[in-house]
Amino acid sequence: ETGVTQTPRHLVMGMTNKKSLKCEQHLGHNAMYWYKQSAKKPLELMFVYNFKEQTENNSVPSRFSPECPNSSHLFLHLHTLQPEDSALYLCASSLRGLSYEQYFGPGTRLTVT
Amino acid sequence: TQLLEQSPQFLSIQEGENLTVYCNSSSVFSSLQWYRQEPGEGPVLLVTVVTGGEVKKLKRLTFQFGDARKDSSLHITAAQPGDTGLYLCAGARGETSGSRLTFGEGTQLTVNP
Repeated sequence: ETGVTQTPRHLVMGMTNKKSLKCEQHLGHNAMYWYKQSAKKPLELMFVYNFKEQTENNSVPSRFSPECPNSSHLFLHLHTLQPEDSALYLCASSLRGLSYEQYFGPGTRLTVT
Repeated sequence: TQLLEQSPQFLSIQEGENLTVYCNSSSVFSSLQWYRQEPGEGPVLLVTVVTGGEVKKLKRLTFQFGDARKDSSLHITAAQPGDTGLYLCAGARGETSGSRLTFGEGTQLTVNP
């Protein structure tokens, strides 16, 4: 595997379900990010981890819970989501937190029913 | 407040035509990046420009950063169907917020054969 991978690629969940999104980067980077991409909106930064420490939480509702066990893996735990949370969730990584060049995974297309 | 405005939002052209898309802001950025995103995939980094007035070329793509580092343009010569995609610009502002990129809404380009 190379680059940034995300699983699953597609997820349909009910509002009462609990699920997790997984991201893995094989680039030797130290910073990882979660973004939300909705139709007709700019990418929204959700969380930033730099050397496994969360450095930014962009006012994200608590129904989204990130976890970064090491510099190569990032999870987004989901519970009691709302239909408006349906979107493409993108993971990205960069060499370090101050590096502007971010490399994205293919995303997880999430549909909340 | 929309910090980065991209225009046009949609562009449909014939193969072989030239085009320019724009990324404008009232804010100064320390660097600016262009990404291309294809359906079902994450954004792929095309280029980073750092110096005001900088011009970078990537085959048929020419990127320019404005002198005041507030705007950028992407010019494609002799567009091909493979250029179809969502073109995103993203600006970074200063080292203290170096981990945060501000994205525009994107320009959806369709090149018809």
